[in-house]
Amino acid sequence: EAQVTQNPRYLITVTGKKLTVTCSQNMNHEYMSWYRQDPGLGLRQIYYSMNVEVTDKGDVPEGYKVSRKEKRNFPLILESPSPNQTSLYFCASGPTRGSNQPQHFGDGTRLSIL
Amino acid sequence: GENVEQHPSTLSVQEGDSAVIKCTYSDSASNYFPWYKQELGKGPQLIIDIRSNVGEKKDQRIAVTLNKTAKHFSLHITETQPEDSAVYFCAEGGSASKIIFGSGTRLSIRP
Repeated sequence: EAQVTQNPRYLITVTGKKLTVTCSQNMNHEYMSWYRQDPGLGLRQIYYSMNVEVTDKGDVPEGYKVSRKEKRNFPLILESPSPNQTSLYFCASGPTRGSNQPQHFGDGTRLSIL
Repeated sequence: GENVEQHPSTLSVQEGDSAVIKCTYSDSASNYFPWYKQELGKGPQLIIDIRSNVGEKKDQRIAVTLNKTAKHFSLHITETQPEDSAVYFCAEGGSASKIIFGSGTRLSIRP
């Protein structure tokens, strides 16, 4: 089954404790992206990647890091999480490079930073 | 910067009636306009999309219209059913590698 898998689905942690949210897709997609979803703000893009070893900032990259060492994986790293990063996070992938294509989303990771 | 405005933020319609959600974008170079449906506890799922060389696209009860001159596009759902209740997002993409989403519309279908 074609899917984007995120882990964990839920996490409660404390300020300053480094965490990683993993994302994996099994569709051999070129494009991968991370979003955060906050009430009234919709989905905002954090980082995206058009290919292995190629990553770029989205609209809200501050406080986040990503890496794309393999095509299928695109982890989101919070080196020193803060309460304003409490949010619902989605990973997505698309078949080709660029944003002018359908994206497949994971089911989300709800992060609470205390 | 690029911006997508989506209206209304909430919409309640009687089952069987039509629902219309509108979005306005700012980047005239955008050429791809998808609509996503998000059900509770799930990630957004693409329901229909349109490219800038087309003015209208239809898929069963769902249609999307695009007016490039006015920079707006709309989602139309006819003969609404309870399973249409969800949050709907519009988006624009293609001018760069970023994609910009609207703020979402919570659609409720009244029985």
